[in-house]
Parts: sequence; structure tokens; C-alpha cells
Amino acid sequence: DAGVIQSPRHEVTEMGQEVTLRCKPISGHNSLFWYRQTMMRGLELLIYFNNNVPIDDSGMPEDRFSAKMPNASFSTLKIQPSEPRDSAVYFCASSLGSGIAQGELFFGEGSRLTVL
Amino acid sequence: AQSVTQLGSHVSVSEGALVLLRCNYSSSVPPYLFWYVQYPNQGLQLLLKYTSAATLVKGINGFEAEFKKSETSFHLTKPSAHMSDAAEYFCAVSSGGGADGLTFGKGTHLIIQP
Repeated sequence: DAGVIQSPRHEVTEMGQEVTLRCKPISGHNSLFWYRQTMMRGLELLIYFNNNVPIDDSGMPEDRFSAKMPNASFSTLKIQPSEPRDSAVYFCASSLGSGIAQGELFFGEGSRLTVL
Repeated sequence: AQSVTQLGSHVSVSEGALVLLRCNYSSSVPPYLFWYVQYPNQGLQLLLKYTSAATLVKGINGFEAEFKKSETSFHLTKPSAHMSDAAEYFCAVSSGGGADGLTFGKGTHLIIQP
């Protein structure tokens, strides 16, 4: 079975450019999460969706970040304009069901973003 | 509020030796606890979880963890380390059982010496 698929795996861009990261969750999963991982701050939850609806975006750093989930099989995380401090590995994860089952997250391999 | 503290950002053990990764949690309600593992250049994957059933939880790859309420701990152990165990390990706590409340620790990098 296909896992969570993220693209691109690596992105190098210049400050001020728009960055779009993409995620395809596992088929049938109804929750989707975007995390950011850095050495300094560890894993941070940015936003999560349940049944395509954003539930909690309190982790989104600022207005430069936006996320959408137009359907159950696709989500995007956009940064516009990008800044060097946005450099990190961005993970998408999905899960099935509610309650404790939601604690079982299935992660993609991540998108490593470098902003010069 | 809930939080997780992983003691030791790096742990080094010899191949064949006992692995012990420490995790202490803070939660205002009975917690759900998880250990995830991250291999280089990969996403995290679930090792094991505690859901208030048995206090000793067995996971994949020979790992297990014991929930000790009196010590607010959920340490991860493996009797005999293998080179393939080298990875980053994350403890996580959820006070509501749902992933919306999942808080990760900073991670412990496990190094296996030959």
C-alpha cells in the first residue's frame, strides 16, 4: 500500500519566492497534519485537518504560511514570501479515525526546504 | 497542559548492550503515550503506544516501554541493541487520545557502537 506521499523531497529557493509543498495522505485516512522539524525547535505541529476542514492552525507561524485541503486526497502548504528562517523539513502525516487511533500518525518522508 | 521531557539528546550504546531511552511526561489527565522512531532522511513511524491497558507495552523491533504513573515515566528499552537501531527516537503524549493534542519531545539520537 502507498504511504503518505510528499513532494518535492528537496526544494532550494531564494528569499522572497513562493514555495508550495504537496501531500497525498493514505487513502481512507480522514485526518491530515503538517509538521515542521528543525534542530532548534524539534517537531512543531503547524496545522491539522479533519475531513478536509482545518481544525487548528494555531501553530502556523505567521500570515506568510497557508494550508489548504481541497479534497480528501490532497493538501498543500504554501509559504509566500519565503524567508531563510523557514528552512526546515516539513512533514505531512495522516491518520484514521478519532480518539486514540488519531495518535497513530503515518508520516511522509518529508520535504526539505532551504531558503537562501 | 501536557509536556514531554526526553533526558539525553544523544545516547550511545555498544551493539548487544541494553538500550534505555528516558521519557517523562506531564499531563493533567491520564495520558496516552507513544514512542516514534525516525530513521535518517525518513518520516517518523510508530514504535509502540500506551492506552491505559497493560502498563508494559511491546512494540516493533524488540522494543518495549513501561508506564509508571508514580514516576510519570514511559522509558523505552530493548535488551540487546542492533546496528539497525541507530535512529532518532521521539516520545509523545496526548491527553485526549487524539492527535490534535499530540505533543512530541525533542528526541533522543541513539548511536550504536560496533
